[in-house]
Amino acid sequence: EPEVTQTPSHQVTQMGQEVILRCVPISNHLYFYWYRQILGQKVEFLVSFYNNEISEKSEIFDDQFSVERPDGSNFTLKIRSTKLEDSAMYFCASRDRGLRYGYTFGSGTRLTVV
Amino acid sequence: AQTVTQSQPEMSVQEAETVTLSCTYDTSENNYYLFWYKQPPSRQMILVIRQEAYKQQNATENRFSVNFQKAAKSFSLKISDSQLGDTAMYFCAFTFRTGANNLFFGTGTRLTVIP
Repeated sequence: EPEVTQTPSHQVTQMGQEVILRCVPISNHLYFYWYRQILGQKVEFLVSFYNNEISEKSEIFDDQFSVERPDGSNFTLKIRSTKLEDSAMYFCASRDRGLRYGYTFGSGTRLTVV
Repeated sequence: AQTVTQSQPEMSVQEAETVTLSCTYDTSENNYYLFWYKQPPSRQMILVIRQEAYKQQNATENRFSVNFQKAAKSFSLKISDSQLGDTAMYFCAFTFRTGANNLFFGTGTRLTVIP
């Protein structure tokens, strides 16, 4: 069964450092997303990406965040200068046009900012 | 704005029994999808079941079924013959049918299956 792959599974970084979270979506999917989940809390939408550009972003997705699909397979989320409150689980998701299989999520990257 | 409400933060069920998790949503749109996702302790987000709003028939996937009441904007999940592996956080989610729209999640219901 096709899956969304995220790396790394866990990243620890110092406050103020840049981090890049990587995702390989399912190859024939067209829409890509990043979500985050602060421990034990609601899953929050960050950004959606389609046709090589951002479709929608939430108010969480400020100038410190950026996304890229540099080579047609990887989909990355960059946080330029991490804050303590960026500590969370970050999920990448992708889906096809018809939503037949829903949104497929990766297994997440646990980001810890110290 | 679209909202998804799960009014039961925690529930428990005896193994082999049936449990129903509630979800209501609010939208003025007519074409949308509803989902239930399961998040076990591993934190992976796993699709349980999917319902298209234009289909009146309730979706079923093995032991999982939904009661979709479009007029009432209600979308409950029934788990029959509960198993220990069903212990997880369950999220109800909503999206529009077209476009690159994101998923709107509820706050989740933590289900514990008791042996």
